[in-house]
Amino acid sequence: QKEVEQNSGPLSVPEGAIASLNCTYSDRGSQSFFWYRQYSGKSPELIMSIYSNGDKEDGRFTAQLNKASQYVSLLIRDSQPSDSATYLCAAGMNSGYSTLTFGKGTMLLVSP
Amino acid sequence: GAVVSQHPSRVICKSGTSVKIECRSLDFQATTMFWYRQFPKKSLMLMATSNEGSKATYEQGVEKDKFLINHASLTLSTLTVTSAHPEDSSFYICSARGGGGKNTEAFFGQGTRLTVV
Repeated sequence: QKEVEQNSGPLSVPEGAIASLNCTYSDRGSQSFFWYRQYSGKSPELIMSIYSNGDKEDGRFTAQLNKASQYVSLLIRDSQPSDSATYLCAAGMNSGYSTLTFGKGTMLLVSP
Repeated sequence: GAVVSQHPSRVICKSGTSVKIECRSLDFQATTMFWYRQFPKKSLMLMATSNEGSKATYEQGVEKDKFLINHASLTLSTLTVTSAHPEDSSFYICSARGGGGKNTEAFFGQGTRLTVV
C-alpha cells in the first residue's frame, strides 16, 4: 500500500524563523511530489511541486527531494503568522491519469 | 496556478433529498478528477477517481449508488449525493489533474460544505 507519512505536529515556530516540514513516501516509483497548504475550513492550495532530486525555490518556499531516501521537505523562510496552516505532502506518478497519495498533514503554528 | 471552480460552496438540504455538486476546470483540460470528503480536523479521504467518458473508480467503502459521479467532459465533473442523510454532512472537495507533460499538478476546487438536516 502506498503511503505518505508526515508528523502531525503542531510544529511551532516564532515569526521570522525557518519552518521545516518533512515527509517520507513508501512508493519508490513515485515521480512527482507536491506540497499543499490548507487553512482551517478551506480546501488545499498547491504551493510547490518538485520532480527531480535537489532543491527548488519559489519565494520564501524551498522544496527538497531526495529520491534515494524517499524523503521530501519544505522549508519556509521568514515564517509569518499567515503561514499558520496544515501542510499536506503528496506523491504520485507523473501522469494526469494517476491518483496522488496524500499525507495526513503537519499543522504549522507561527507565533508573532 | 490553474483554476478549478466548485459550486455550490455551501448547501443545506433536507434528509432524503439529493444534492449535486459541480466541479469545473476553467483553464485546462482535466484528464482526471478526484472527489474527496473531509471531516473536521481530519485528513482528506479519497472517495473516487473519474476520467472523462468512463465510469468512476470508487474507493473501498464508498457506495457508488449513493455518490453518483459523472465526468461528461474534460472540464466538468459532478458528484450527486443521493438520498442524503445527516451522516453525509461533510466538506466535499474536488481536484483536477492535467493530462501529461509538464502540467500534472493537481488543483483543488474551493470545496462544498454539505449540511443535511
